[in-house]
Amino acid sequence: KAGVTQTPRYLIKTRGQQVTLSCSPISGHRSVSWYQQTPGQGLQFLFEYFSETQRNKGNFPGRFSGRQFSNSRSEMNVSTLELGDSALYLCASSSLRAGDNEQFFGPGTRLTVL
Amino acid sequence: TQLLEQSPQFLSIQEGENLTVYCNSSSVFSSLQWYRQEPGEGPVLLVTVVTGGEVKKLKRLTFQFGDARKDSSLHITAAQPGDTGLYLCAGAIVGNAGKSTFGDGTTLTVKP
Repeated sequence: KAGVTQTPRYLIKTRGQQVTLSCSPISGHRSVSWYQQTPGQGLQFLFEYFSETQRNKGNFPGRFSGRQFSNSRSEMNVSTLELGDSALYLCASSSLRAGDNEQFFGPGTRLTVL
Repeated sequence: TQLLEQSPQFLSIQEGENLTVYCNSSSVFSSLQWYRQEPGEGPVLLVTVVTGGEVKKLKRLTFQFGDARKDSSLHITAAQPGDTGLYLCAGAIVGNAGKSTFGDGTTLTVKP
């Protein structure tokens, strides 16, 4: 079974631009979560989508948004990029079977904002 | 306030030594996961514990879930350089499936 894939792996943008990151979950997984990881803040939860609906949201500004398609693939968008948005963005999928919250992560997208 | 407190934050040991990493919270979790992450990659799931008092073993790694489901520990026996990495605990609070909270992680370095 193929794992979680994320594209692109690396991205360099300048302040004020916008960016869209893509995530394809494991086949059959309907929950997709996004995280931001930085050395200073650790792994911070952005949002979770389940069956095309945002079900949970972290404490990030409205510049961070996402969506999920009918095939469970997900995208996240960051508008008006700031230097502080430089981070590793991780996507994780879950089947949410039996009430556990096991997540399977993609390799991440390394975003650098100049 | 961090919901999940991990300790120690950094650990550097010699090959062959034993170590324990702790994950503590004041909240009750429906389940708790441990992950290992290498630089530039996503975290990889090691184990899930669900029942209070549960102990799971994965080769040289032993995971324990506290009786009250508020804390967990990871014990590594005879550490090897290949164990080097960032160890993260994560949990879903009871009634909030789909939203995992992560600890800040323990960076483990095992020197040959």
